[in-house]
Amino acid sequence: NAGVTQTPKFRVLKTGQSMTLLCAQDMNHEYMYWYRQDPGMGLRLIHYSVGEGTTAKGEVPDGYNVSRLKKQNFLLGLESAAPSQTSVYFCASSYLSGAYNEQFFGPGTRLTVL
Amino acid sequence: LAKTTQPISMDSYEGQEVNITCSHNNIATNDYITWYQQFPSQGPRFIIQGYKTKVTNEVASLFIPADRKSSTLSLPRVSLSDTAVYYCLVGDGLRNRDDKIIFGKGTRLHILP
Repeated sequence: NAGVTQTPKFRVLKTGQSMTLLCAQDMNHEYMYWYRQDPGMGLRLIHYSVGEGTTAKGEVPDGYNVSRLKKQNFLLGLESAAPSQTSVYFCASSYLSGAYNEQFFGPGTRLTVL
Repeated sequence: LAKTTQPISMDSYEGQEVNITCSHNNIATNDYITWYQQFPSQGPRFIIQGYKTKVTNEVASLFIPADRKSSTLSLPRVSLSDTAVYYCLVGDGLRNRDDKIIFGKGTRLHILP
């Protein structure tokens, strides 16, 4: 059981470039989440998905898009990267929704936008 | 959604018991209290959850008073490896509700030798 994996682990982009972060989970979880974490800050929810083919906005969705074409994968896209998107991105999954239910996190992707 | 307040940071020494308190004055009847731990350069991990009174597992204890307006995470005999950020979350116990999840800034615990 790999749990939650994220690809890539590190990435450096130039302003205006695009990229996609991949999250995969092998626990058959319905719910998946993308967070960002800035230095000294907690995690902020970007987008989440309540099942294959469905996505919803979180706390800070602007500048990001997501897709959940397969149950086990959740993609986070940056169409035109900006320095303000420099952050560590964490993906998580859970069997059910809400803060009550345990979320399993990936190891994170460290993104730098120059 | 109940808002939580916890100290920004705490220092302690190896071997001591550490108590981190979280305030959640607006906790709702169906809300549970959940704590996560995040080591540097890693994603958070679930450590304990409770509804009332006391819960204990191999990692920590969670104390919740009768009014449930606060909770205390207790780490017994900490070691250097307990240095981490600890997040208190309060959320709905109705599993099918689409409850927004707010981690906040957490408490940065620094264990000294």
